[in-house]
Amino acid sequence: GAVVSQHPSRVICKSGTSVKIECRSLDFQATTMFWYRQFPKKSLMLMATSNEGSKATYEQGVEKDKFLINHASLTLSTLTVTSAHPEDSSFYICSTSDGRAWDTQYFGPGTRLTVL
Amino acid sequence: QKEVEQNSGPLSVPEGAIASLNCTYSDRGSQSFFWYRQYSGKSPELIMFIYSNGDKEDGRFTAQLNKASQYVSLLIRDSQPSDSATYLCAVKDTGRRALTFGSGTRLQVQP
Repeated sequence: GAVVSQHPSRVICKSGTSVKIECRSLDFQATTMFWYRQFPKKSLMLMATSNEGSKATYEQGVEKDKFLINHASLTLSTLTVTSAHPEDSSFYICSTSDGRAWDTQYFGPGTRLTVL
Repeated sequence: QKEVEQNSGPLSVPEGAIASLNCTYSDRGSQSFFWYRQYSGKSPELIMFIYSNGDKEDGRFTAQLNKASQYVSLLIRDSQPSDSATYLCAVKDTGRRALTFGSGTRLQVQP
C-alpha cells in the first residue's frame, strides 16, 4: 500500500497563530489527497479533498479561508490552520490512494494540534 | 445524508475467542467497504477491503458483505490482547473517492 508521511506529528501553539501541516506521498505520485479531522473519541470527518494543480474541494461546514489547502506537487499537500483557536485543537490526518485495489486509502500518522 | 453506523462498544471478548464487529450503511449505491484499525492516539491502518457479496478472508480476519441488507461485518478469529483497538468501518461514497466513516467499535480482548 501507499506510504504517507506527515509533519509535524505534534504541535502546540498560541491562539491566533497559523500552523502548517505537511502531508507527503512517499512512494507514488498522488493527484488527490484527503484531509480528515478527528476529535477525541469521535470518528474521522472529511474536511476537504486536495487536488494537485487545482483548488481543493471542501466539505459542507468547513471554512475554506480558515483551513487553507495547497497541493502544489504530486507528492505534497499542505493544510494551514489560520488564526488557530482552542476549538481547532484536534487530530488532523491526511490520506491518499494509489488508485489500485478499489482506490484503497492509506493514512498518514496524523498531526496532533493543541491551541492554547 | 449518507451514514455509516457502528455500535460504539466496548465489545469485550476473552483471548482466543472470535470477535464480531458489525456495520450498516445507508447509501445503497456504495461499492466498496473498508475496515481500519485505530490504536489510541494513532492514525487508522487498513485491515482489509471488500466489494463483493459474501466472505473475504485474510489470515485471522474475515470480512462479510451483504449489499441487500446494507450490512458489512468483520470477524477476528483467535483474538489477541494486541487486537484491542477501535475498529472503523468505512464506505466509499457513490460517485467520489472520499470515505465516510462509522464512529468505530472499541474492542477489548481480555487476557
